[in-house]
Amino acid sequence: ETGVTQSPTHLIKTRGQQVTLRCSSQSGHNTVSWYQQALGQGPQFIFQYYREEENGRGNFPPRFSGLQFPNYSSELNVNALELDDSALYLCASSFGLAGQETQYFGPGTRLLVL
Amino acid sequence: QKEVEQNSGPLSVPEGAIASLNCTYSDRVSQSFFWYRQYSGKSPELIMSIYSNGDKEDGRFTAQLNKASQYVSLLIRDSQPSDSATYLCAVSLPYGGATNKLIFGTGTLLAVQP
Repeated sequence: ETGVTQSPTHLIKTRGQQVTLRCSSQSGHNTVSWYQQALGQGPQFIFQYYREEENGRGNFPPRFSGLQFPNYSSELNVNALELDDSALYLCASSFGLAGQETQYFGPGTRLLVL
Repeated sequence: QKEVEQNSGPLSVPEGAIASLNCTYSDRVSQSFFWYRQYSGKSPELIMSIYSNGDKEDGRFTAQLNKASQYVSLLIRDSQPSDSATYLCAVSLPYGGATNKLIFGTGTLLAVQP
């Protein structure tokens, strides 16, 4: 167990809808990164939050947005859902921004878009 | 060229044998390297991290790094059926200031035969 929690565990939505996924960091961690993992692929970096500010973003459209709260928990919001958004969404927490900081993953939220 | 490349497998080894998993990366700026294990339907779990050229051992696992050849490997000694999983190679890249984002390969599926 990494101490990183995510909710919900599973979610089914239809195209065009909006979804909010939540992540609670490991105690003492101030950095949260979000990843999307499609079936048979490795996780892809969506964005990272450090001390409530977005601190880097991957090749994802603006309809993917996020927040980090003062307690370092985080949300991932996806608007106008598309079928290709169906994936496992992972959050990972770490302390600080150094490259050597290990990122610990939560159990993930599996999203299915119909 | 993909940033992180792995053979997708499956790599099949008999119980008790050594499993050798390989990974190459394209960005010479990369300084930190991680191996994650992912069981089917679960999230990635950190196995090893390595930052310097050479070998790093932890129990039955040995990570090897050769920055000149841009090559990372993971050896699993005395392989057990419980080691059967997908092994993800991840490289940490600086991304806008001090941000570290993980770039993952597609993973190698390891099957340990009893």
